[in-house]
Amino acid sequence: NAGVTQTPKFQVLKTGQSMTLQCAQDMNHNSMYWYRQDPGMGLRLIYYSASEGTTDKGEVPNGYNVSRLNKREFSLRLESAAPSQTSVYFCASSEYGTTGNTIYFGEGSWLTVV
Amino acid sequence: RKEVEQDPGPFNVPEGATVAFNCTYSNSASQSFFWYRQDCRKEPKLLMSVYSSGNEDGRFTAQLNRASQYISLLIRDSKLSDSATYLCVVNMITGGFKTIFGAGTRLFVKA
Repeated sequence: NAGVTQTPKFQVLKTGQSMTLQCAQDMNHNSMYWYRQDPGMGLRLIYYSASEGTTDKGEVPNGYNVSRLNKREFSLRLESAAPSQTSVYFCASSEYGTTGNTIYFGEGSWLTVV
Repeated sequence: RKEVEQDPGPFNVPEGATVAFNCTYSNSASQSFFWYRQDCRKEPKLLMSVYSSGNEDGRFTAQLNRASQYISLLIRDSKLSDSATYLCVVNMITGGFKTIFGAGTRLFVKA
């Protein structure tokens, strides 16, 4: 039962390099998200996609781009990595049901920019 | 004022203790509420939804007070394995649908 799968798990980048974090979910959810979490801090929403074909900025979108490739996949791209983007990145998906919008997370991607 | 606020803790309790976490939210149009648990270096995972009438799952009890705009989580008979960060989550309608996570309250249960 995979749920939300994201890759890579760990990555070290040099300042200025680019990379893409991949995410896929197998729960047939419409909504997908990218969050970042810095040490001792809460989750901050980078971008989200309410449905296939749509993407919207969250709280901290600067320095990132996203692509909702299809219903399953939602990627996050760092065009020119900066040390301030060192963080743990979580992909998530959700479906609005009887109890509300329940969000399910991937295991996280640990990114270090040096 | 933050949309969702939690006591940052940490809470340090002995095994067997009862511990309560509180969370307040600012938007009265908030619709649904959850508690998530996050272990160190892991992803957040749904612990339980919070219903208006209150709900219980084993040693865990969640309560919602809409009038005062807060939710609570009570853990009875704490275990070492309960050590984690507990996140309050609120779904609200505010210029669109939003899910807001609290910053979390850290719990350490000690032998």
